[in-house]
Amino acid sequence: QVQLVQSGAEVKKPGASVKVSCKASGYIFTNYAIHWVRQAPGQGLEWMGWINGGNVNTKYSQKLQGRVTITWDTSASTAYMELSSLRSEDTAMYYCARDRTDTPSVWFDPWGQGTLVTVSS
Amino acid sequence: QSVLTQPPSASGTPGQRVTISCSGSRSNVETNYVYWYQQFPGTAPKLLIYRNTQRPSGVPDRFSGSKSGTSASLAISGLRSEDEADYYCAAWDDSLSGPVVFGGGTKLTVV
Repeated sequence: QVQLVQSGAEVKKPGASVKVSCKASGYIFTNYAIHWVRQAPGQGLEWMGWINGGNVNTKYSQKLQGRVTITWDTSASTAYMELSSLRSEDTAMYYCARDRTDTPSVWFDPWGQGTLVTVSS
Repeated sequence: QSVLTQPPSASGTPGQRVTISCSGSRSNVETNYVYWYQQFPGTAPKLLIYRNTQRPSGVPDRFSGSKSGTSASLAISGLRSEDEADYYCAAWDDSLSGPVVFGGGTKLTVV
């Protein structure tokens, strides 16, 4: 079955960078986009960006543009989300999710289990 | 401040019908599909409704989605205790707010 498995929890200091991985299985990796969504403690969902399988195009939220980079390694069927210049407000659960269509949409299924990133001095 | 507006909370008793609203604008809800996600504490969100009204396989038909103009709704009939969760609407947005926007989420309590 289609599955996304994310890397483990991270603790980072302010100003550092973090790179979270999302390994896909059960489907042809490059056929669908992967999105990244984060959720601060007790807060709602915030879309961060996507990487599109067909043309390896990326799109980021305006809020995070310049600090977030999404890449993938097709040979490893793994997507990565790197967030730089971390601040305390970046403390959140980070999720990857597969798009169900062959062009980016809001149809996210399934989701990874989440990776907790804590930013603390 | 979320682009899509949801009530922060909703409640109902077992067996009751509850609706959760999602208010947007022309650039998102009115002109694009609306999706609904269900999230239990400590777990990842799960797709509940796609393309306004469609249920993925495995989602009970007690859950239904609708849309009219700039508003969408999620209805849960025959409410059960296991429906207690957070619910989020999401949509594509054609404006600078986008391209993907979420509602702030609604915490459903079954009393």
